[in-house]
Amino acid sequence: QKEVEQDPGPLSVPEGAIVSLNCTYSNSAFQYFMWYRQYSRKGPELLMYTYSSGNKEDGRFTAQVDKSSKYISLFIRDSQPSDSATYLCAMSQYNNNDMRFGAGTRLTVKP
Amino acid sequence: AAGVIQSPRHLIKEKRETATLKCYPIPRHDTVYWYQQGPGQDPQFLISFYEKMQSDKGSIPDRFSAQQFSDYHSELNMSSLELGDSALYFCASSLSEWGPGQTTLYEQFFGPGTRLTVL
Repeated sequence: QKEVEQDPGPLSVPEGAIVSLNCTYSNSAFQYFMWYRQYSRKGPELLMYTYSSGNKEDGRFTAQVDKSSKYISLFIRDSQPSDSATYLCAMSQYNNNDMRFGAGTRLTVKP
Repeated sequence: AAGVIQSPRHLIKEKRETATLKCYPIPRHDTVYWYQQGPGQDPQFLISFYEKMQSDKGSIPDRFSAQQFSDYHSELNMSSLELGDSALYFCASSLSEWGPGQTTLYEQFFGPGTRLTVL
């Protein structure tokens, strides 16, 4: 069993929909929880991160971490076609140390 | 702003050959990470260097080695290449921050990757 589980999708939604992306993990020592966005043939870029539990909002994006359930989520409001990409969750115990990625969810937002 | 530079962008090799991938981190970043991403898979951490010393090791095969030089650029050396080594290899760089209890993440900035094809 992988340390980080993420449904690879694909996920297809109409423009304007609310998107929910999720990951579960098994290592209770993880403290840093990241969401990366990866466009085709490009490197991942950091969208948001959360330290420990809680919520974090940045524009149309909201990240949630529930350490008691070992479950993290990324919500995208008012989704746009430009949001179409693969979204990878990642987590680490220490800051930047041995980051573990989920499989990535491929999202398509249709105009 | 300067980004992480990787070269070459594409590389085609035969089985059992060797390959060297290069990574030039963002200026003033002292930590470099290497990842391998197979087709349709998540990036797998291979190895990292902080201040020219190996700082962490992931799932890097014994056939691979890496180092960080005095100018902070890093090279990933791959020998006895196998078909299964065909993948996208990403380098990332960051300012280092070690230890628990730090609430500010020092972001890893990823390069565009080197696509290695082993025939």
